[in-house]
Amino acid sequence: KAGVTQTPRYLIKTRGQQVTLSCSPISGHRSVSWYQQTPGQGLQFLFEYFSETQRNKGNFPGRFSGRQFSNSRSEMNVSTLELGDSALYLCASSLDRGTYEQYFGPGTRLTVT
Amino acid sequence: QKEVEQNSGPLSVPEGAIASLNCTYSDRVSQSFFWYRQYSGKSPELIMSIYSNGDKEDGRFTAQLNKASQYVSLLIRDSQPSDSATYLCAVDTNAGKSTFGDGTTLTVKP
Repeated sequence: KAGVTQTPRYLIKTRGQQVTLSCSPISGHRSVSWYQQTPGQGLQFLFEYFSETQRNKGNFPGRFSGRQFSNSRSEMNVSTLELGDSALYLCASSLDRGTYEQYFGPGTRLTVT
Repeated sequence: QKEVEQNSGPLSVPEGAIASLNCTYSDRVSQSFFWYRQYSGKSPELIMSIYSNGDKEDGRFTAQLNKASQYVSLLIRDSQPSDSATYLCAVDTNAGKSTFGDGTTLTVKP
């Protein structure tokens, strides 16, 4: 079974731009969570989607948003990029809510200049 | 106080030794506990999950959970250089949200 895929793998943007990252979960998995990982802050929860609905949200500004499609694929968007948004963005999928064995994708490395 | 705290590293053990990684959490209603391994430049990989008090063994790995003490640990027996990585403790503190510790970096020296 194919694992979680994320595109693109690397991205360089300038301040003020916006970016959209994509995640395809493991086939059959319905829950998708997004995390931001930085050396200083560790792995920070962004949000979780299940059945096309955002179920949980972390402590990030409204510039960070996401959505999930009917096939469970998910996208996250960051608008008005700031230098501090430079990070590894990880997507994780799990079979269902309440089953939190999460499987991570390879991540998207975003650099904001 | 952080929701999930891990013993500060780095931790260095000789090959063949037992590596002990510890994690404490603050939310008493937490139900699910996970250990992930993350190699440098890679994404986290699930290695153990534990849901009830006691020990759970999987090969060279043993997870231990004590809900009364709000403590979860991971033991790696017969440590190998390939075990060198950062180990992340994750706690399900609310349905749909896992909170991760900052991780403990383990180095196994040949």
